[in-house]
Amino acid sequence: GDSVTQMEGPVTLSEEAFLTINCTYTATGYPSLFWYVQYPGEGLQLLLKATKADDKGSNKGFEATYRKETTSFHLEKGSVQVSDSAVYFCALSDRATGGGNKLTFGTGTQLKVEL
Amino acid sequence: EPEVTQTPSHQVTQMGQEVILRCVPISNHLYFYWYRQILGQKVEFLVSFYNNEISEKSEIFDDQFSVERPDGSNFTLKIRSTKLEDSAMYFCASSGSGGAGDTQYFGPGTRLTVL
Repeated sequence: GDSVTQMEGPVTLSEEAFLTINCTYTATGYPSLFWYVQYPGEGLQLLLKATKADDKGSNKGFEATYRKETTSFHLEKGSVQVSDSAVYFCALSDRATGGGNKLTFGTGTQLKVEL
Repeated sequence: EPEVTQTPSHQVTQMGQEVILRCVPISNHLYFYWYRQILGQKVEFLVSFYNNEISEKSEIFDDQFSVERPDGSNFTLKIRSTKLEDSAMYFCASSGSGGAGDTQYFGPGTRLTVL
């Protein structure tokens, strides 16, 4: 079945450091890929997405490129801020059934950014 | 900006009791979902709902679970006889078109504690 593997956390960085959170996936078809972020005490928010190979999703300085050849969707940001401290979830949707699209999530990676 | 809301934020119940978790999806969305996250584990899909019926459910969603859209705004998850292992954060989500690349908007979650 479908699965998503994320790097283990927590990840602790200094402000302005470069961030990479690795995400790889297994899917039978051609999935759409997502990064969701969960700030403390809040729900999951979409950060960015890509729906086909070689697409790059970007938002708020974060980027991720859909790499079909390596089945990866790594999240990157050039300079993190304290306000980026959150839990980041990689997810995929393999197909729509006609009644919606089931998301399969990774375990989440906690990011802590310090001054 | 429209958002998904959930009530209550925290529910404590005794094993064997029935609980109903409530969600108000975004008003013009047609596809509705429930997910859960047991502490320290992945976010897991439970069920998707469209056109007043279940469109897909996971193996977790057994006969103890049911969903309902009792009116034009609410979407509920009922657990008929709670077990200790039902303790988790339950997230409601909604989306507009249901395609594989469609964004799901999540509520802040209800933390269910079964004693």
